[in-house]
Amino acid sequence: GAVVSQHPSRVICKSGTSVKIECRSLDFQATTMFWYRQFPKQSLMLMATSNEGSKATYEQGVEKDKFLINHASLTLSTLTVTSAHPEDSSFYICSATKGSRSDYNEQFFGPGTRLTVL
Amino acid sequence: QQPVQSPQAVILREGEDAVINCSSSKALYSVHWYRQKHGEAPVFLMILLKGGEQKGHEKISASFNEKKQQSSLYLTASQLSYSGTYFCGTEDYGNEKLTFGTGTRLTIIP
Repeated sequence: GAVVSQHPSRVICKSGTSVKIECRSLDFQATTMFWYRQFPKQSLMLMATSNEGSKATYEQGVEKDKFLINHASLTLSTLTVTSAHPEDSSFYICSATKGSRSDYNEQFFGPGTRLTVL
Repeated sequence: QQPVQSPQAVILREGEDAVINCSSSKALYSVHWYRQKHGEAPVFLMILLKGGEQKGHEKISASFNEKKQQSSLYLTASQLSYSGTYFCGTEDYGNEKLTFGTGTRLTIIP
């Protein structure tokens, strides 16, 4: 299998605080991990792409200083929302690829993290 | 630009068939299809590659017209469990990055 976990599944925080979300590939080494944000009744929007040991590549319009991504190992990527505000409240989902041609670049998704900023 | 899906929403009776379309303005390397239920992560359904290769579940079928930059997902003999929002994700250059479509909300009623 190819299982991706996320922690925490839900987080509520006060405005101005920082929140860290972890994304782990449990049974494979992830060459690339992706972070998405999804607002209610909307599609998934890619925020950034991260590769182990290198800086993340952010999509246009995503503030890199606000959404810090660290891809410390082939099985762990973290997203830190710094100085969170109510407009950052959203469903954050990570995914990972194995980098194997036989998988056709299939992305394996984590279960998501619901962030609510009060 | 975000791929456009049609229809936006559809309601079916159990056992009926549906077709969901995904149209891109860019040349595509692959199209991925996912189903998402409320509050959950997307679940993989199918991948179709330029050149004809594909990978997916046995009960799901799809097509990919490279020239028209379009893909269609075919759901036959729908079951209640098929309810959810369907997204296509398009990959431009084989760089693994997906751009998700606008979504199609499917409701199956008994």
